[in-house]
Amino acid sequence: DTQMTQSPSTLSASVGDRITVSCRASQSISKWLAWYQQKPGKAPNLLIYQASILESGVPSRFSGSGSGTEFTLTISSLQPDDFATYYCQQYNNYSRAFGQGTKVEIK
Amino acid sequence: EVQLVESGGALVQPGGSLRLSCAASGFTVSTYSMNWVRQAPGKGLEWISYISRKSSTISHADSVKGRITISRDDAKNSLFLQLSSLRAEDTAVYYCARGGLAVGGRVRGFDLWGQGTMVTVSS
Repeated sequence: DTQMTQSPSTLSASVGDRITVSCRASQSISKWLAWYQQKPGKAPNLLIYQASILESGVPSRFSGSGSGTEFTLTISSLQPDDFATYYCQQYNNYSRAFGQGTKVEIK
Repeated sequence: EVQLVESGGALVQPGGSLRLSCAASGFTVSTYSMNWVRQAPGKGLEWISYISRKSSTISHADSVKGRITISRDDAKNSLFLQLSSLRAEDTAVYYCARGGLAVGGRVRGFDLWGQGTMVTVSS
């Protein structure tokens, strides 16, 4: 099965910062990667799919890039509503594994 | 309203079994692949089970393989999960999630989630 590894596990940042979260797949998944945001006590929310396509309604400050085994989620200017945990997920095969998550906290 | 609503979570003794349900409304579940995802307290998301349209393909995570059955009843617009030989490490919020469709019919990730149902395994 394909394993997903995110880094860092925790990221401390300030409002207005540009941040990046990395996600690595244990084998090539082409572009079949999604990113989610989750806030405490809530279900996750789809942000990006096919590595770089923004889900409808998601602010344009979010962007994704990468292919194969290396992927990145970027928030261009962090807003107060963006402090949350972010997960990557592969869907190249029927095992839809998630990364372990990256918590973005206030510096 | 387009939504998924899980039910069936409970306090269960180790070794017991449980059946979770996920009722869809506002859309036709037969059009989509469906999944179960769980989240242990304070931990990350763990995908555990997938079922394709028409149930032609089923896949489970290794952590639950042999103890899990996923099924769907398109006539009732519902998804189900049966989990047996429950262990303390199965304690989690269980979410059902829809495999969203992109242009061309390829899945675009999980675009709709339920609110989750809590399963606690303890004596």
